[in-house]
Amino acid sequence: QSALTQPPSASGSPGQSVTISCTGTSGDIGGYNYVSWYQQHPGKAPKLMIYDVTKRPSGVPDRFSGSKSGNTASLTVSGLQAEDEADYYCSSYAHNNNVVFGGGTKLTVL
Amino acid sequence: QLHLQESGPGLVKPSETLSLTCTVSGGSVSCNSCHWGWIRQPPGRGLEWIATIYSIGGTDYNPSLKSRVTISLDTSKNQFSLKLNSVTAADTAVYYCATRRTGSYSDYWGQGTLVTVSS
Repeated sequence: QSALTQPPSASGSPGQSVTISCTGTSGDIGGYNYVSWYQQHPGKAPKLMIYDVTKRPSGVPDRFSGSKSGNTASLTVSGLQAEDEADYYCSSYAHNNNVVFGGGTKLTVL
Repeated sequence: QLHLQESGPGLVKPSETLSLTCTVSGGSVSCNSCHWGWIRQPPGRGLEWIATIYSIGGTDYNPSLKSRVTISLDTSKNQFSLKLNSVTAADTAVYYCATRRTGSYSDYWGQGTLVTVSS
């Protein structure tokens, strides 16, 4: 299956908001409300930030929010902080119990 | 609080079999609705799902790897394992074990282990 499409980079100044998009198809993002987002700092394992499109695990700041429209999901980080600088990956359930990931977006806090 | 830890050789020769084990602590691998998976990340690149094993014993594999991959569960050791055969340099990656919840998300991950395929 094809990977989901994310922009390779995004940036914002401290305190600003930034939105990262993730585009798939009707066979993954568009067909199921099972989109998740992960934050990965260099040399570390991914950390779950959003699941089931909009839900936040315990301990994840409410500055992080998720949404979906059609075949595109989005992650918004509000009130950017220096520690938000990391790689972000989207993921979705796909047809036949498959899992697909996006190529990743490097978020830079200017 | 679950803790997952990968173990296995860090170097595998081309055409041989890559074998990794994930040891789970803080919970049972055989609990109801507990599902487990392997995900890999080539150096400098993105994440790729490899396989999932379900608490009832069923499995799912990435179609692009299905012919070479086996995932299994050892409830007596509270572990699950990955075997990837006929490896090439393209299989060089950090391999992560993780939970797989309904909806396909992973909330607990191991620290990852780098496996290099080289002669």
